[in-house]
Amino acid sequence: EVQLVESGGGLVQPGGSLRLSCAGSGFTFGSYEMNWVRQAPGKGLEWVSYISSSGSVMYYADSVKGRFAISRDNAKNSLYLQMSSLRAEDTAVYYCSRDFFTRFDYWGRGTLVTVSS
Amino acid sequence: QSVLTQPPSASGTPGQRVTISCSGSSSNIGSNTVNWYQQLPGTAPKLLIYATDQRPSGVPDRFSGSKSGPSASLAISGLQSEDEADYYCAAWDDSLNGYVFGTGTKVTVL
Repeated sequence: EVQLVESGGGLVQPGGSLRLSCAGSGFTFGSYEMNWVRQAPGKGLEWVSYISSSGSVMYYADSVKGRFAISRDNAKNSLYLQMSSLRAEDTAVYYCSRDFFTRFDYWGRGTLVTVSS
Repeated sequence: QSVLTQPPSASGTPGQRVTISCSGSSSNIGSNTVNWYQQLPGTAPKLLIYATDQRPSGVPDRFSGSKSGPSASLAISGLQSEDEADYYCAAWDDSLNGYVFGTGTKVTVL
């Protein structure tokens, strides 16, 4: 069974940093592209970042470019999102999702990031 | 800021047909396939339709997708109470070099 489990969320002050992790199991992690998607409280879905299966190609939404960094460790079946210079508008549930031919076929349950003083 | 525009709400009585539109542009829907996601209250999104009109295993054939130019649609026929959820369209955008989601549509079963 495919599973994605996010962790690392929490309360952080504006301007602070946080690192999210996503552990994958039940599939060959290193064969799949991955994404982070977020959802602010009561709002819609927003794509955040993409990483290729090898980790050599990354894309970011304009709203996080220069502040967030996506990475992966295929040996550990793990995906990461390093977030810095956090703002109140980054407050959201962050989901990791598996990318199969541009469709997000599996999603984790998400981890909540709250940016507040 | 969402690039794909959806109506904020749609509703119908049990058994009715409901259609949700998703308006994009030549750089996203016009040149790439569309996926639809269903998000039940308090849960993570779930893939509902992929490659514009394909259903993953386990998704009832009451759900169908289509596309015409820069716009796409999701149809729910034989509406059921368990279909109450938020629905999002999504596609790759060649100009932005990233994925874009629709604004989301809340479906209510009256």
